[in-house]
Amino acid sequence: SYELTQPPSVSVSPGQTASITCSGDKLGDKYACWYQQKPGQSPLVVIYQDNKRPSGIPERFSGSNSGNTATLTISGTQAMDEADYYCQAWDSSTAWVFGGGTKLTVL
Amino acid sequence: QVQLVQSEAEVKKPGASMKVSCKASGYTFTSYPIHWVRQAPGQRLEWMGWINPGNGNTKYSQKFQGRVTITRDTSASTAYMELNSLRSEDSAVYHCAREYYYGSGNAFDIWGQGTMVTVSS
Repeated sequence: SYELTQPPSVSVSPGQTASITCSGDKLGDKYACWYQQKPGQSPLVVIYQDNKRPSGIPERFSGSNSGNTATLTISGTQAMDEADYYCQAWDSSTAWVFGGGTKLTVL
Repeated sequence: QVQLVQSEAEVKKPGASMKVSCKASGYTFTSYPIHWVRQAPGQRLEWMGWINPGNGNTKYSQKFQGRVTITRDTSASTAYMELNSLRSEDSAVYHCAREYYYGSGNAFDIWGQGTMVTVSS
């Protein structure tokens, strides 16, 4: 079955750039999505199709996907961005798959 | 507004079954797939399966195949997820989510509020 791997945690200082990676076999050949989940809330899509932002998502959120790694980048990170982030991709053998999640801490 | 509203929390005994509902409003229910995703405490999001509300076609994760059934009632704009033979490891928050096609890629754009299910003797 297809698997996506994320680092358990990432720390960033306010105003700095945070990068969260998601690794999977030939992930660059698939589309990756990213979701933000704050405590007690449902997930919110922040990136779809590797690098597209849904309406209402701030420009500081961006994404890329190449080779075996997709990356979510948050520029000028704010305290409100502290959350868990999950990558997601669709695989023909496993259907929809989520990564293990990364806890972003804004110190 | 566009939303998915789920049924209330449940407590079940091991071996029992659970059935969670997900009522859609603010859009045409039959036009978008509905997925079910669960999240055990401190664990990752886990995709369980989906239904095409337009024709009732379903696909399930291999992990839950044989134990899960997803159905819909188009007259009520509601999707249902039933999970059988419950065990303690099934204690989790269960979410429904709408799959949206943005024109060049898909994502789960609307999520229900989640239904906490506790399996305990």
